[in-house]
Amino acid sequence: AQSVSQHNHHVILSEAASLELGCNYSYGGTVNLFWYVQYPGQHLQLLLKYFSGDPLVKGIKGFEAEFIKSKFSFNLRKPSVQWSDTAEYFCAAHNDYKLSFGAGTTVTVRA
Amino acid sequence: EPEVTQTPSHQVTQMGQEVILRCVPISNHLYFYWYRQILGQKVEFLVSFYNNEISEKSEIFDDQFSVERPDGSNFTLKIRSTKLEDSAMYFCASTEQGTGGEKLFFGSGTQLSVL
Repeated sequence: AQSVSQHNHHVILSEAASLELGCNYSYGGTVNLFWYVQYPGQHLQLLLKYFSGDPLVKGIKGFEAEFIKSKFSFNLRKPSVQWSDTAEYFCAAHNDYKLSFGAGTTVTVRA
Repeated sequence: EPEVTQTPSHQVTQMGQEVILRCVPISNHLYFYWYRQILGQKVEFLVSFYNNEISEKSEIFDDQFSVERPDGSNFTLKIRSTKLEDSAMYFCASTEQGTGGEKLFFGSGTQLSVL
């Protein structure tokens, strides 16, 4: 069965620090990968996605993610975070009719 | 931009009561989904629906749950006899294509509180 795992449960960092959130998926077939963000009190929003092509994908708000097929990973990065990046981040993998989410990583950015 | 709408935004019910959560997917979308998020936990897949039937469902989606598309616009989730552990945020989503995750639009959710 397909599953998505996120390495960090809670990350706390200061403004301007770099961020990297780990994500691994377990599925051998073709899979589409996503990062969603959920700001406090709001619904899920798509940050970025990977379907095929360049394994380094750029999303909104300065985020990027790199797909490494050999490692089954799709880590999210941002070189310099802002206070407004405080949110819950979910990695997700989609195949067939189901989008499976990781457990989420809470990111707290301190001013 | 088109959006998925969910009503109500917050539903409070007594344990054992039936609840119906309503969703209006985007008009030209063909695939519909329900997800839920228990406070502090991850988003869990419940069910997907296409062509007036369930495509896939998770272990959570037991006999207490049902989905329906009663007309051309609404997509509902019914919980027959609510339990305390059903308290969660329920998200509806829709997409034009079944594998088109990039076009998976989520509604803003219905917070269900079972007392």
